[in-house]
Formats: sequence, C-alpha cells, structure tokens
Amino acid sequence: NAGVMQNPRHLVRRRGQEARLRCSPMKGHSHVYWYRQLPEEGLKFMVYLQKENIIDESGMPKERFSAEFPKEGPSILRIQQVVRGDSAAYFCASSPLPNYGYTFGSGTRLTVV
Amino acid sequence: GESVGLHLPTLSVQEGDNSIINCAYSNSASDYFIWYKQESGKGPQFIIDIRSNMDKRQGQRVTVLLNKTVKHLSLQIAATQPGDSAVYFCAENMNRDDKIIFGKGTRLHILP
Repeated sequence: NAGVMQNPRHLVRRRGQEARLRCSPMKGHSHVYWYRQLPEEGLKFMVYLQKENIIDESGMPKERFSAEFPKEGPSILRIQQVVRGDSAAYFCASSPLPNYGYTFGSGTRLTVV
Repeated sequence: GESVGLHLPTLSVQEGDNSIINCAYSNSASDYFIWYKQESGKGPQFIIDIRSNMDKRQGQRVTVLLNKTVKHLSLQIAATQPGDSAVYFCAENMNRDDKIIFGKGTRLHILP
C-alpha cells in the first residue's frame, strides 16, 4: 500500500501561471480532502470530494481555485493565475469513511515567484 | 473561525522526560478529537484519537486526556525521545458530516 501520493513535491510557478496539484488516494479510499498550510501555521481545510462529487468546498477561495476527483485518476487541485499569496504547502488526505481515519500525503510545496 | 487552538507555540523538553502538549477547543458540540504529529517536510501523521464519551485513552508512550468541562485536550508523551521532535496538532470535528479542523500547532524541541 503506497499511501497517499501527491505530486509534484515541489512546484514553482510565476505569477499569473496555473498550478496543478495531484493527489492519488490510498487504495480503497473514496474520500479526498485538500488542506493548505502556511509556514508556522496549522492546516486550513479547503475542499472535500468524493468520486465525481464535491461534498464540501466551504474552504475554497471563490475565485481561481477549483478541485475535481474524477471517476478515474487522481484528484486535482487547480489554481489559476497564481499570486504570491498562494505560496504554501498543500496537503491531501484520503479516508475510507467520511471525515474519519484520514491519511495524509507528503504535500506539494508551491512557490510563486 | 477556528475553534481549536493551542496554549503554547513551542515546548522544550529534556530527553527522557515526559511531554505534555495542551489544546483548547471552543465548540462544545465537537465529539471527536485527534492528535497529529508533523515532522519537517512531511504530512501530518495520526498519533491517537479520542471520542467525547471518553476522558482518557492510551497508546504506545502516548496518552490523550479530554476534559469536556473546560474544553481542554492534552497529549502526554512518556520518556520523550529525539524522534519526537515535531509539530503537534490537535484537531476536531463535530460529527461525521463535518470536516476535521486543525489547531495552530505546538513545536516540540527535545533537549539533549
């Protein structure tokens, strides 16, 4: 069991470019959660998805951010027209049941220059 | 806003001593609490959890205490080792219909 796989581990984007972050959940897990972490801070919830459905996106910024979890393939967190303030570590977690038994990936560290 | 917070941002403990990391929560409806450990450059790792119908739960070298009266949660690590150096987060959710919310974290330093 490879655990939750996130890629890339590090991503550098120039302001105005798009960032795509990928998350492959653990085998058998159909619930995926994205969190953002600023340096020296806790993890802030962004979005909760189940296969092909967004369950809770209350933590997602209204503009430029979107997430999907297609029937086949990884979950994708997409940030359009990145700005310096988007620089952070983005963590994905998956679980076999809703909101219980999270396993986190190692994160993607996004740097916007 | 966040309902989970921590009393101390940094805790320094002598190797071999016990560590106690504290957490306050404000939502009395929360019924599930989790402690996570995050090492540098890694994602949070589950340590131990507790439901609101319990006040104490023990794991290997770790104990979580829950005081619902004062809405306080603590993590005790026995015989602290260098490998325990990390940031520790408490987290909560109200029920299975809600996401897990994280507090800000406490950095644990182990002194030789």
